[in-house]
Amino acid sequence: NAGVTQTPKFQVLKTGQSMTLQCAQDMNHEYMSWYRQDPGMGLRLIHYSVGAGITDQGEVPNGYNVSRSTTEDFPLRLLSAAPSQTSVYFCASSYSSGRFSGNTIYFGEGSWLTVV
Amino acid sequence: AQSVAQPEDQVNVAEGNPLTVKCTYSVSGNPYLFWYVQYPNRGLQFLLKYITGDNLVKGSYGFEAEFNKSQTSFHLKKPSALVSDSALYFCAVRDRDNNNDMRFGAGTRLTVKP
Repeated sequence: NAGVTQTPKFQVLKTGQSMTLQCAQDMNHEYMSWYRQDPGMGLRLIHYSVGAGITDQGEVPNGYNVSRSTTEDFPLRLLSAAPSQTSVYFCASSYSSGRFSGNTIYFGEGSWLTVV
Repeated sequence: AQSVAQPEDQVNVAEGNPLTVKCTYSVSGNPYLFWYVQYPNRGLQFLLKYITGDNLVKGSYGFEAEFNKSQTSFHLKKPSALVSDSALYFCAVRDRDNNNDMRFGAGTRLTVKP
């Protein structure tokens, strides 16, 4: 049981490049999400999904796309990287929200992205 | 919308002394409250949560937190700090009426000195 797996762990991009951060979980969790962590700002929600085929925007969605074709995978795409997207990105998952919104969210180990 | 405040960026304690990391929250309804810990270059690890019931919640590694509805607080405590407790701690809140949005505080860096 690997939990939440993110790749790559480190990435350097040039401004304007695109890339995809991969996230997979093997816990059969319906809910998956992406956060970014910036100094002094905690974690901010980018996008989330409550199940395959369903995604929605979080607090800071601009510049990012997501899709959820399977229960296991939830990739985050940077369309045209900007220096403001330099951050640490965390993927997370839990059993379904809804009336179980007290469920614990489990995090991946993070992806460190630098845009130059 | 819900929000979380962690009023201290940094908390320093001596090993063996009690520690407290403060958290206050704001939600329109009833909250679910969580504490997570982050070690350097790692993801967040779940420590404990308040869902309902007893206001004193016990979690991993000897940590506990007390839900205080009147003060809208959920402070993290430990009776005797260890050097290995040094890490970044995050409080988070989820509004029971807005099930998909979990908000995190900015984090508090705890340093336990030998």
